[in-house]
Amino acid sequence: KAGVTQTPRYLIKTRGQQVTLSCSPISGHRSVSWYQQTPGQGLQFLFEYFSETQRNKGNFPGRFSGRQFSNSRSEMNVSTLELGDSALYLCASSRGGSGANVLTFGAGSRLTVL
Amino acid sequence: AQSVTQLGSHVSVSEGALVLLRCNYSSSVPPYLFWYVQYPNQGLQLLLKYTTGATLVKGINGFEAEFKKSETSFHLTKPSAHMSDAAEYFCAVSEEGYQKVTFGTGTKLQVIP
Repeated sequence: KAGVTQTPRYLIKTRGQQVTLSCSPISGHRSVSWYQQTPGQGLQFLFEYFSETQRNKGNFPGRFSGRQFSNSRSEMNVSTLELGDSALYLCASSRGGSGANVLTFGAGSRLTVL
Repeated sequence: AQSVTQLGSHVSVSEGALVLLRCNYSSSVPPYLFWYVQYPNQGLQLLLKYTTGATLVKGINGFEAEFKKSETSFHLTKPSAHMSDAAEYFCAVSEEGYQKVTFGTGTKLQVIP
């Protein structure tokens, strides 16, 4: 069974640009969560989508947005990039129903902002 | 609000020695608790989880953790460290009906030959 796939794995952008990251969840998983990982802040929750609806949101500015499609694939977008947005962005999928939310992570998209 | 505190950002043990990584949680309702491991340049992988029932939870690669409600702790242990255990370990918490999972700041485990 295929795992969580994130694309691209690595990308370099300059300040002011925007970026879109993609996440394909495990087949049958309806929930997709996004996290930002940096050495200084650790794993910070961005948002969680379930059946195309954002259910939970972390404390990030409006430059960070996401969406989920009917096939559960998800994208996140960061506009007007800042140097501090350099990070590993991790996507995780889960069934999303009741009970413990066991996350399966992708390998991440490493964003460098110059 | 749920939160997790991991004591010690770096832990070093000798190969064959006991591994003990500490985690304390805060939750307003009975929590679900997890330990994840991250190897360099990879995503996180689930080691084990506590939901309900038995408080001693066994996971992959010989790791186990014990849920102690009175101490609000969920420490991770392994009797004998192996070189391949060198990685970063994250404790996490979530609550029934709330799909957000909150992670601790992580503990990097170094195994010395």
